[in-house]
Amino acid sequence: KQEVTQIPAALSVPEGENLVLNCSFTDSAIYNLQWFRQDPGKGLTSLLLIQSSQREQTSGRLNASLDKSSGRSTLYIAASQPGDSATYLCAPKGVGGGTSYGKLTFGQGTILTVHP
Amino acid sequence: GAGVSQSPRYKVAKRGQDVALRCDPISGHVSLFWYQQALGQGPEFLTYFQNEAQLDKSGLPSDRFFAERPEGSVSTLKIQRTQQEDSAVYLCAVSGANTGELFFGEGSRLTVL
Repeated sequence: KQEVTQIPAALSVPEGENLVLNCSFTDSAIYNLQWFRQDPGKGLTSLLLIQSSQREQTSGRLNASLDKSSGRSTLYIAASQPGDSATYLCAPKGVGGGTSYGKLTFGQGTILTVHP
Repeated sequence: GAGVSQSPRYKVAKRGQDVALRCDPISGHVSLFWYQQALGQGPEFLTYFQNEAQLDKSGLPSDRFFAERPEGSVSTLKIQRTQQEDSAVYLCAVSGANTGELFFGEGSRLTVL
């Protein structure tokens, strides 16, 4: 059974800092891995998707890396802003069924607070 | 995200009542998932549909939980005889056909008193 751990559980930083959020997973047989953000009382917003054959993906100030063999992914946030405050969740997707199927297994998330 | 509408957004039920939560993908999606998110936790898989076929219901916590998608579009998650431990946010998600990326709705927050 896939288990996902996110470190740190919570992080509070001043605006402008560069951040690293860590995700580790126990089963390296994954199809892809997604990073999400969740604002209080809201659903999940997809940030980045890394296919199992890729090493990293970038979107704006966000960069996610994937080391499948060691079961690790990292989300890097550059020049953090107060609007980045949210819970960040990583979720590897199991193999089986290819594109359509495959359950996501979530970590508990990292609660990020960026203060002005 | 990606046109997934969920209703109701908030539901308060008395213990023992039955509830029905609706997921309406705005554009056609083959794959549909339900997840349950308890307070302070990450979402946990409940069930998966491919069109109208429920291919995996291994995450449903008990036989009080039932999901359907009769015409391969709108899906309903039904919880019978609700218990306090059913209090959670229920999230619906659809999968992008080419990449397998999941897009979630806003969720339905269920509170059982």
